Amino acid sequence: NAGVTQTPKFRILKIGQSMTLQCTQDMNHNYMYWYRQDPGMGLKLIYYSVGAGITDKGEVPNGYNVSRSTTEDFPLRLELAAPSQTSVYFCASSPPQIRPNEKLFFGSGTQLSVL
Amino acid sequence: DQQVKQNSPSLSVQEGRISILNCDYTNSMFDYFLWYKKYPAEGPTFLISISSIKDKNEDGRFTVFLNKSAKHLSLHIVPSQPGDSAVYFCAASAQDSGGGADGLTFGKGTHLIIQP
Repeated sequence: NAGVTQTPKFRILKIGQSMTLQCTQDMNHNYMYWYRQDPGMGLKLIYYSVGAGITDKGEVPNGYNVSRSTTEDFPLRLELAAPSQTSVYFCASSPPQIRPNEKLFFGSGTQLSVL
Repeated sequence: DQQVKQNSPSLSVQEGRISILNCDYTNSMFDYFLWYKKYPAEGPTFLISISSIKDKNEDGRFTVFLNKSAKHLSLHIVPSQPGDSAVYFCAASAQDSGGGADGLTFGKGTHLIIQP
């Protein structure tokens, strides 16, 4: 059982470039999330989705876009990369049960550097 | 404004002893609390949780204590083992945020080091 799979694991971008971080889950979870973790900081929510076709902004959405065309996939798009987007990105999913749907299943992360 | 605070960036404990990781929160609306464990180059994994209607929850070597009046929770690991060396994140959510993980607030984490 693969769980939550993220690709790529590492990426270096030049300022102004764009890229898509891929995330797929095979647990049939309705809820999916994108977080970023800066050094020495907690996880900050970028975007989340409660089901296919539905997305919403989290705490730090600027500079990012998402889409959710299927239950399995939740890609994160970076447009015009900036050094402030250097971070580790985690995708996560959770089942739609009534509390605790805060029990998240995380992917292994994408280390992104913008130079 | 940090609503969930883990004031110890790191903690070193001898193998076999008790590890106590602390977490303070400021939002009185938080009613569900979780601990996640993270190894290097891996994503966080859920460890244990507690609802505000309880003051203790136990799972094997791991126990979480909640003191609502002090807005404080702690994670106890007894006995500590080398495999417990990891970063531990405290997280909290509030029913009025919908109760979902979109309302989950994380602390900065505590790096636990278990020494042989």
